[in-house]
Amino acid sequence: GAVVSQHPSRVICKSGTSVKIECRSLDFQATTMFWYRQFPKQSLMLMATSNEGSKATYEQGVEKDKFLINHASLTLSTLTVTSAHPEDSSFYICSARATGHAPAQHFGDGTRLSIL
Amino acid sequence: AQKVTQAQTEISVVEKEDVTLDCVYETRDTTYYLFWYKQPPSGELAFLIRRNSFDEQNEISGRYSWNFQKSTSSFNFTITASQVVDSAVYFCALSENNYGQNFVFGPGTRLSVLP
Repeated sequence: GAVVSQHPSRVICKSGTSVKIECRSLDFQATTMFWYRQFPKQSLMLMATSNEGSKATYEQGVEKDKFLINHASLTLSTLTVTSAHPEDSSFYICSARATGHAPAQHFGDGTRLSIL
Repeated sequence: AQKVTQAQTEISVVEKEDVTLDCVYETRDTTYYLFWYKQPPSGELAFLIRRNSFDEQNEISGRYSWNFQKSTSSFNFTITASQVVDSAVYFCALSENNYGQNFVFGPGTRLSVLP
């Protein structure tokens, strides 16, 4: 149980394109989802916390107009990288919080974004 | 503020050797949760263990074991008789509660197990 599906797993696109990444909790409801970014050979850094039905909370230094987060339902959160540039190339991972389950966060398999 | 330190950036061992990955954490909370995750080259995070701050019992799961020492704020992970498939980046993480708030990852330790 407690499976999180992230799609797509890999994206390669041209600079200036907007890219949408989906994060779905398949067998549980997630009132809160988290978005992380991981640069090569680095750790995961929290970008934002997404709460269903309300605005996301962004970490310091993360541009909310650049990384649009929508959490319209209890099973889906989306991250849109708007007008992506090469420096946005990274590995993006989502996680969903499932109350009453262990572990506290269930991670998706990640999306490898490459901007040419 | 919470912080997780993994002093070993990279470790290489030969298959069948035992290896211990260190994790030291900082938190002002009296209740917190510690985690270990494995990230193979493919990228997906695999959950290994969760431990709450009130449970200092060591745990063993097959070839894996964890040593939680609250007195030294450490949560070390040992792989016994390592195998090539153990090669991955291992992250230690700390959460202030069971719901994932303030989930902080350590920098990770890249383990290479050589045949």
